[in-house]
Amino acid sequence: GAVVSQHPSWVICKSGTSVKIECRSLDFQATTMFWYRQFPKQSLMLMATSNEGSKATYEQGVEKDKFLINHASLTLSTLTVTSAHPEDSSFYICSAKPTDRVRGNEQFFGPGTRLTVL
Amino acid sequence: GQNIDQPTEMTATEGAIVQINCTYQTSGFNGLFWYQQHAGEAPTFLSYNVLDGLEEKGRFSSFLSRSKGYSYLLLKELQMKDSASYLCAVRELGSGNTGKLIFGQGTTLQVKP
Repeated sequence: GAVVSQHPSWVICKSGTSVKIECRSLDFQATTMFWYRQFPKQSLMLMATSNEGSKATYEQGVEKDKFLINHASLTLSTLTVTSAHPEDSSFYICSAKPTDRVRGNEQFFGPGTRLTVL
Repeated sequence: GQNIDQPTEMTATEGAIVQINCTYQTSGFNGLFWYQQHAGEAPTFLSYNVLDGLEEKGRFSSFLSRSKGYSYLLLKELQMKDSASYLCAVRELGSGNTGKLIFGQGTTLQVKP
């Protein structure tokens, strides 16, 4: 168990459009999910912490109005990149933290979404 | 402040042993993780240390010294498929204990025949 999916796996869009990325925990519940961004040959940078039923917590320097996060259920969080620009092109990865105590120490990562903004 | 340091690149020979070091300075500590990431893929969990000492899991072992802010990942009997990036991540004590992870820049390991 502990599978996290992301959809889409890749997306190409025009500058100025909005893109929604879904992150789902398939076989466990996750009160908390995390959104990361990774540029080529760099490590993961945490963008925000998504909490089910409440507002997301954004890291310093991440625009909350540009990167909209919704965590409407215990198995789904969405990240919407609004008015995307070429500099938003990156690899977006989510992770989910199981609610249960047994696996609560781990975060399980999704396969990532490659966003290219033309 | 937060600072996690790892070597950028390492090279080792198939069948050998390699140690990847990680030093950290973070505000609050609630565990250290090692992840493996192949190019273009998501990270996969390797190990977790919260107490001092060595955790062994097959060919991979991880060590932690909290007083020194130091960890290492030890890979034995290297295989070509071990060529990947290895990410050290520290979990901080966040509000509500969400436990966000702060990642180091990653160490790219190249295993040669």
